[in-house]
Amino acid sequence: GMPVEQNPPALSLYEGADSGLRCNFSTTMKSVQWFQQNHRGRLITLFYLAQGTKENGRLKSTFNSKERYSTLHIKDAQLEDSGTYFCAATSGSWQLIFGSGTQLTVMP
Amino acid sequence: EAAVTQSPRSKVAVTGGKVTLSCHQTNNHDYMYWYRQDTGHGLRLIHYSYVADSTEKGDIPDGYKASRPSQENFSLILELASLSQTAVYFCASSDGDERLFFGHGTKLSVL
Repeated sequence: GMPVEQNPPALSLYEGADSGLRCNFSTTMKSVQWFQQNHRGRLITLFYLAQGTKENGRLKSTFNSKERYSTLHIKDAQLEDSGTYFCAATSGSWQLIFGSGTQLTVMP
Repeated sequence: EAAVTQSPRSKVAVTGGKVTLSCHQTNNHDYMYWYRQDTGHGLRLIHYSYVADSTEKGDIPDGYKASRPSQENFSLILELASLSQTAVYFCASSDGDERLFFGHGTKLSVL
């Protein structure tokens, strides 16, 4: 299978809702990053994790290398959260392997 | 915040023509990368470099060349542009701990 499987491929939320995105890895990964691509196509780094959990405002990300997954949790979704979210992981070399993305739509 | 600047922001090229995409970073990063993104898909690595005057092939290097004349600059060259190379191209840099900083992207349309 794909080294990085990202789910769901698309997600719709109402403003104020909470939800989560997930990436599963076919092999043990050393680190993971989460990116948001906004409607202008700009890629923004959200998190970089080598282990554990990080929070930034309404976003929280967890990386479990042993269990081979990472999650991105969005709390109190806002319209500006809409976009495509990518996870990317590295298995030990410097090279990142990207997931296929989750297209998030936040509705008023 | 790290600064990675790509130029041009968009370009229309003709099939068979030569296209050069430029990337400049001011972060003193050793690593630089070129990715392409096709509509509805994630990013794929074309070329990368970890030191000036040296480039390496990524996952999809065919049809592309890269040049790293200095630590700050990394170019992607399409010698003979083809329709299949229509995509958005992202440059990125990192300081070796794998955290990437991306440019704004270059939208390339080959007609």
